[in-house]
Amino acid sequence: RKEVEQDPGPFNVPEGATVAFNCTYSNSASQSFFWYRQDCRKEPKLLMSVYSSGNEDGRFTAQLNRASQYISLLIRDSKLSDSATYLCVVQLSAGTALIFGKGTTLSVSS
Amino acid sequence: DVKVTQSSRYLVKRTGEKVFLECVQDMDHENMFWYRQDPGLGLRLIYFSYDVKMKEKGDIPEGYSVSREKKERFSLILESASTNQTSMYLCASSVHYEQYFGPGTRLTVT
Repeated sequence: RKEVEQDPGPFNVPEGATVAFNCTYSNSASQSFFWYRQDCRKEPKLLMSVYSSGNEDGRFTAQLNRASQYISLLIRDSKLSDSATYLCVVQLSAGTALIFGKGTTLSVSS
Repeated sequence: DVKVTQSSRYLVKRTGEKVFLECVQDMDHENMFWYRQDPGLGLRLIYFSYDVKMKEKGDIPEGYSVSREKKERFSLILESASTNQTSMYLCASSVHYEQYFGPGTRLTVT
């Protein structure tokens, strides 16, 4: 079983659409959870952390369900600039290596 | 502004050559990581280091070694490059959870 699993996509959506990405992780001892964004031929960058209470940053909402070992990312009102690969990431404890999913590719078109 | 730099963006080497990939961070981070990223396989951890002269194997250390003589510098060494080591290599550093990535080195072994 893969440690972090994501639907690879691609997700092709029009501008203004709402799109949701899902992710599951296998190690119940995982402590920290994140979404990273990677643009084509660029390095990954932190998009947002994910908390059990859920958190929102503008058009982006992240949710964590520890019981189901499930993480989600919702993007509302998609923009062309949202086109990227979104990486689901977990971490066992602070400072340790991140465990990356393979990423979900999003393409937003006009 | 945080910065992680890698010695080369693109590198072409021949099979059997010894290859050095250098990574430098200016954030006084203790933790540094080397990943490789391949299509369909995502980011995979090669080696990491929690302190000067300390190193830990990641998921795919075979064929690689590392050196960390100074806190700001973490080197990845391919002792005898092989064609299956053609990949994008990404270095990262962190203090707690957010990892900052360098721009990557695209290595081609012919």
